[in-house]
Amino acid sequence: KNQVEQSPQSLIILEGKNCTLQCNYTVSPFSNLRWYKQDTGRGPVSLTIMTFSENTKSNGRYTATLDADTKQSSLHITASQLSDSASYICVVTRTGGGNKLTFGTGTQLKVEL
Amino acid sequence: EPEVTQTPSHQVTQMGQEVILRCVPISNHLYFYWYRQILGQKVEFLVSFYNNEISEKSEIFDDQFSVERPDGSNFTLKIRSTKLEDSAMYFCASSEEQGTHNEQFFGPGTRLTVL
Repeated sequence: KNQVEQSPQSLIILEGKNCTLQCNYTVSPFSNLRWYKQDTGRGPVSLTIMTFSENTKSNGRYTATLDADTKQSSLHITASQLSDSASYICVVTRTGGGNKLTFGTGTQLKVEL
Repeated sequence: EPEVTQTPSHQVTQMGQEVILRCVPISNHLYFYWYRQILGQKVEFLVSFYNNEISEKSEIFDDQFSVERPDGSNFTLKIRSTKLEDSAMYFCASSEEQGTHNEQFFGPGTRLTVL
């Protein structure tokens, strides 16, 4: 079954600290993996998109990694800010699946002073 | 910066009533999508739409659901006879094209509450 699992479910860190969120997927055949940020009550906003051949992609303080062999990805957030508080969702697309996105359950991140 | 808009932001309805959720995709986009997110759960794909027809739909998208693009700008999701379990956030998204690096842009969502 095509699934996307994320860990941890939730995370609290202090402002300025770094953190790493994990994603494991069984979606096959794999096309690409995306990380989205979703603020409470808002739609998801894309942070990074990676294909099979890419193993790292950065967007400002966000760096995503992908290991297509082990079907794992991570999102590293550097020097966290209060505005980083949100749900971070790993999303995978299948080859031949059109543009249908399979969403993970998300990691709820809270950044505190 | 162009964005996807959705109306209303919150819709309350009685069970069994019909609702229409509206979306205005980004103007040069050709592919349109509806997703839903039940409170506390993950976002789920409902349907994709291209060239005035459904290109893919999930098991959730049964006969109670329909989509259309009535006037070339609005993209609507109709739920014919709402059930309590239809209560969720409904997100519209659009993309310029299909393809590996194609990004879907999401609207802010409509919160549907069925009483």
